Amino acid sequence: QKEVEQNSGPLSVPEGAIASLNCTYSDRGSQSFFWYRQYSGKSPELIMFIYSNGDKEDGRFTAQLNKASQYVSLLIRDSQPSDSATYLCAVSLSNFGNEKLTFGTGTRLTIIP
Amino acid sequence: GAVVSQHPSRVICKSGTSVKIECRSLDFQATTMFWYRQFPKQSLMLMATSNEGSKATYEQGVEKDKFLINHASLTLSTLTVTSAHPEDSSFYICSARKTVDRGYTFGSGTRLTVV
Repeated sequence: QKEVEQNSGPLSVPEGAIASLNCTYSDRGSQSFFWYRQYSGKSPELIMFIYSNGDKEDGRFTAQLNKASQYVSLLIRDSQPSDSATYLCAVSLSNFGNEKLTFGTGTRLTIIP
Repeated sequence: GAVVSQHPSRVICKSGTSVKIECRSLDFQATTMFWYRQFPKQSLMLMATSNEGSKATYEQGVEKDKFLINHASLTLSTLTVTSAHPEDSSFYICSARKTVDRGYTFGSGTRLTVV
């Protein structure tokens, strides 16, 4: 079983709609959860991170964490063509200090104009 | 901000030569930096954790004698790919974290092509 799993996609969403990206993880000791966006040929950019169960909102983005189900998701509201990218879920065993990230394989999202 | 600079962005080298990649934290001190490798259409795989003033910690399966890491200052870590071969061609990316209330920031990456 992979440590961090994501549906590879591609996921196609009409412009203006809500894009929903999902991620599951295997290690119950995981503490920190990150969503990164990666455009083709570029390095990942941090979208947001979440530590606590529940929702965390930042602009058009909402991260949702359910530790009991070992599940974290990212919602993108009012999707724009510029949101078309690969979205990487990453997990860390620590809230503090510098702990390595384990990445999922990413979900390729395409926003259709 | 938390800016991580990586250089060079692209390098082509001949098989058997060595290539050095630099990763700098520009506006913060980083006692720890991470080096990842990404093959086409695959996710990021951690290669090693670079610790300032001490030896790097390598992930299982990564050859420490081939991928030399030096973290001599709080703002600079280097990755040297020694005796590079075509199979080492990949996208190498470094990462660091400014504070615990921020996520990890990635450098712009280095695309290495070994011919």
